[in-house]
Amino acid sequence: GAGVSQSPSNKVTEKGKDVELRCDPISGHTALYWYRQRLGQGLEFLIYFQGNSAPDKSGLPSDRFSAERTGESVSTLTIQRTQQEDSAVYLCASSSRMNEQFFGPGTRLTVL
Amino acid sequence: AQTVTQSQPEMSVQEAETVTLSCTYDTSESDYYLFWYKQPPSRQMILVIRQEAYKQQNATENRFSVNFQKAAKSFSLKISDSQLGDAAMYFCAYRSARYGGSQGNLIFGKGTKLSVKP
Repeated sequence: GAGVSQSPSNKVTEKGKDVELRCDPISGHTALYWYRQRLGQGLEFLIYFQGNSAPDKSGLPSDRFSAERTGESVSTLTIQRTQQEDSAVYLCASSSRMNEQFFGPGTRLTVL
Repeated sequence: AQTVTQSQPEMSVQEAETVTLSCTYDTSESDYYLFWYKQPPSRQMILVIRQEAYKQQNATENRFSVNFQKAAKSFSLKISDSQLGDAAMYFCAYRSARYGGSQGNLIFGKGTKLSVKP
């Protein structure tokens, strides 16, 4: 593909509901990262995939957050029982062997 | 743990002038990568410039250059001949090289909002 894509672009949900955020990395990129960006802040690392396995989940803020990746391609970040503090932009990035991480446009999540 | 600090929440520059954005970091590692990313209102993170810590020469990409001071753990970004399209949030980021290849998450500073005055 031309770049990393994410869907939906914006998501508004009610507190307590579950949400799924999708990331389609650049074709052939083996590494995939999820980050969270709260309003006016830098990006916080959430989870990293190498292929379909996640060797580093250290950034997930609670057990309400989970992610999976299939076919060494698309990844889904799931947030269960959303809370207002989960409101943020969720960014996905992918990389190949060349070190550079290419970012998607992000999903803006608003929890009412 | 590594940290990245950007001490300037906001900066302003006149069009065609030069501006320098500051970044310091803390690490006990000797091999790592440093990056500057630009984030316009569209939210798209765009890589501006990259520096490998083992390289003494400062990286340059057209109007963008860095001043990498490894001993001082400083990594500033200089934008020359500023253009209106340079207005954005700029983030400094660190990545360990201990995993090699493409592995390893980025650690970001809180960003500097750059305004360009016509």
